Amino acid sequence: QVQLVQSGSELKKPGASVKVSCKASGYTFTDDAMHWVRQAPGQGLEWMGWINTNTGNPTYAQGFTGRSVFSLDTSVSTAYLQISSLKAEDTAVYYCARVQPDGAGGYYFDYWGQGTLVTVSA
Amino acid sequence: AIRMTQSPSSFSASTGDRVTITCRASQAVSSYLAWYQQRPGKAPNLLIYAASTLQSGVPSRFSGSGSGTDFTLTISYLQSEDFATYYCQQYYSYPYTFGQGTKLEIK
Repeated sequence: QVQLVQSGSELKKPGASVKVSCKASGYTFTDDAMHWVRQAPGQGLEWMGWINTNTGNPTYAQGFTGRSVFSLDTSVSTAYLQISSLKAEDTAVYYCARVQPDGAGGYYFDYWGQGTLVTVSA
Repeated sequence: AIRMTQSPSSFSASTGDRVTITCRASQAVSSYLAWYQQRPGKAPNLLIYAASTLQSGVPSRFSGSGSGTDFTLTISYLQSEDFATYYCQQYYSYPYTFGQGTKLEIK
């Protein structure tokens, strides 16, 4: 069965960096792209972008360029999200999500990781 | 970016009720629309994709309809486990965008 297992909660100081992992199992990792979604405390869902798991090419949403980096280690079927120069407003739960084709040219999120809470506080 | 607007933002209902949540896109998204359920402290869970296709394993009391700019999610007979927050999301174009969420509470 498909599973996306993310790394545990992180507490970081402003200015530090964090790297969140998302380990996939139950399918061929390079068959499906991986997306990242942010959810600030008590807020809705915000799409951050995605990474092509075949080529490693990332695409970032506006607002997530510069300090966010998506990467892969295909040897262990794992996607990573690194955020540098952390600010208090980066405090959120970060989700990875796999996409699947809907048969009409679109791609929707069918499986999600359990989420990783990143707290940025002095 | 395409703006997704859900209504209502919150709603109180009783078990056994039939409820409908609406989602409007600021521009046409064809049928590239998904619905997710999120319980507190949990990841979103896919209910519907392609506007009306029920994800495998999701109870048949959930249904979706619409195309273009106007969509609905209907729960035909509310169960206790359905009290959660629901999000619509367009995957017609980047950036993917979500509605603000509809919180369904017990009356």
